[in-house]
Amino acid sequence: KAGVTQTPRYLIKTRGQQVTLSCSPISGHRSVSWYQQTPGQGLQFLFEYFSETQRNKGNFPGRFSGRQFSNSRSEMNVSTLELGDSALYLCASSPRPGQGFSGNTIYFGEGSWLTVV
Amino acid sequence: EDKVVQSPLSLVVHEGDTVTLNCSYEVTNFRSLLWYKQEKKAPTFLFMLTSSGIEKKSGRLSSILDKKELFSILNITATQTGDSAIYLCAVEAARGSTLGRLYFGRGTQLTVWP
Repeated sequence: KAGVTQTPRYLIKTRGQQVTLSCSPISGHRSVSWYQQTPGQGLQFLFEYFSETQRNKGNFPGRFSGRQFSNSRSEMNVSTLELGDSALYLCASSPRPGQGFSGNTIYFGEGSWLTVV
Repeated sequence: EDKVVQSPLSLVVHEGDTVTLNCSYEVTNFRSLLWYKQEKKAPTFLFMLTSSGIEKKSGRLSSILDKKELFSILNITATQTGDSAIYLCAVEAARGSTLGRLYFGRGTQLTVWP
């Protein structure tokens, strides 16, 4: 069974540009959540999608957005990139919404490393 | 504000040592506490704890939760170089009837020297 797949794995962008990251969940998983990981802040929750609807959202500015398609694949977009957006962006999938809920363990992808210069 | 604090942030030991990693939390509507191991790739699930005082064990790793004092520890005995990783603690907080979200600590970077 294939794991969570994220593309691209590495990318470099310049300030002001925008970026789109993609996540394909484990087959049969309908919930996808996104996290930003930086050395200073650790893993921070961005948002969670289930059945093409955003179910939960963290405390990030509106420049960060996402969506989910009918096949459960998800994309996140960051517009007007800033240097501080440089991070590892992790996607996680689970069968149902609600991360970690009573054994609804989430499975992480290997992440997309974004560097903003 | 919900938060999860891990300590120490980094730890360097020699093979064979025993280590204890700490995780304290302040979260509204606690549901569960989870431990993950992250090498240079995706975090992988280690344990989920929901009840106080019940130790979860997997090989040389064990973990326990104290819901009264709001903390958990992760123990690794007889450490090996392959244990070198970032260990992440996350707490699930309920939101509404079923939808929870995870709050992560910053992680503990463990380095095991041969």
